[in-house]
Amino acid sequence: DAEITQSPRHKITETGRQVTLACHQTWNHNNMFWYRQDLGHGLRLIHYSYGVQDTNKGEVSDGYSVSRSNTEDLPLTLESAASSQTSVYFCASSESKNSPLHFGNGTRLTVT
Amino acid sequence: GQNIDQPTEMTATEGAIVQINCTYQTSGFNGLFWYQQHAGEAPTFLSYNVLDGLEEKGRFSSFLSRSKGYSYLLLKELQMKDSASYLCAVRDYTDKLIFGTGTRLQVFP
Repeated sequence: DAEITQSPRHKITETGRQVTLACHQTWNHNNMFWYRQDLGHGLRLIHYSYGVQDTNKGEVSDGYSVSRSNTEDLPLTLESAASSQTSVYFCASSESKNSPLHFGNGTRLTVT
Repeated sequence: GQNIDQPTEMTATEGAIVQINCTYQTSGFNGLFWYQQHAGEAPTFLSYNVLDGLEEKGRFSSFLSRSKGYSYLLLKELQMKDSASYLCAVRDYTDKLIFGTGTRLQVFP
C-alpha cells in the first residue's frame, strides 16, 4: 500500500543546531506540504511543493527551508533551531490541488 | 486576511447527534475539507465540499453555504471512538489549504 512516512518520530535538539526532518511518500503525488501544529494555532503551512524543483513559502516559513529533488521526498531543514520551533511537524501529500491531503504520522521536535 | 473559526470544545453523549460549525473568511474559495484527528495521531480526511449543499457519508454529513462563508459537520449516532478533534480547512485562491484551530469533541457514555 502507498504511504507517507516521516522520520524521526521524535527529536530533541539544542538551540542553534541545524535539523532536517525527512518526509517520503510512495503515492507518486506531485504536491507535498509541511505543516506545524501548535496548541491554539492549529495546522500552519510552512512550505509546499507542486513538483520536482518547485518550492514555495507558506505562512510561517522563516527559519525553514525545503528542497525537492525527486517526486518522493520533501525534507524540511531548520537552519538554526530556536525554542519557538518546538512543535509537532506534519508532512502531507495530495494527488491534485482539489484532492484531500494524506498526512504522515508527524515528528515531535523539541528544541532546548 | 485569512480567518477560519470553529468552537474550541464541544461535548456530547453517546448515541446523540452533534453539529460542529465552521465560518471562514479567506482569499478566494476553492473548496472546504473536514478532517478528524485523534490525540497524538495524524489528521485523516472526512469530507469535501466545493458546491453548496449537503454531502452525506455514512454517519457523517457536511454542509456548505458559500454565500454565508459557513459549513458544518454533522455526526450522527455518536460513538466513543468519535472523541477527537475536527479540523475545518479551506482551499484559497492559490490552492493552499488553510486550517482552523480545530474543535475538540468529547463523547460521554
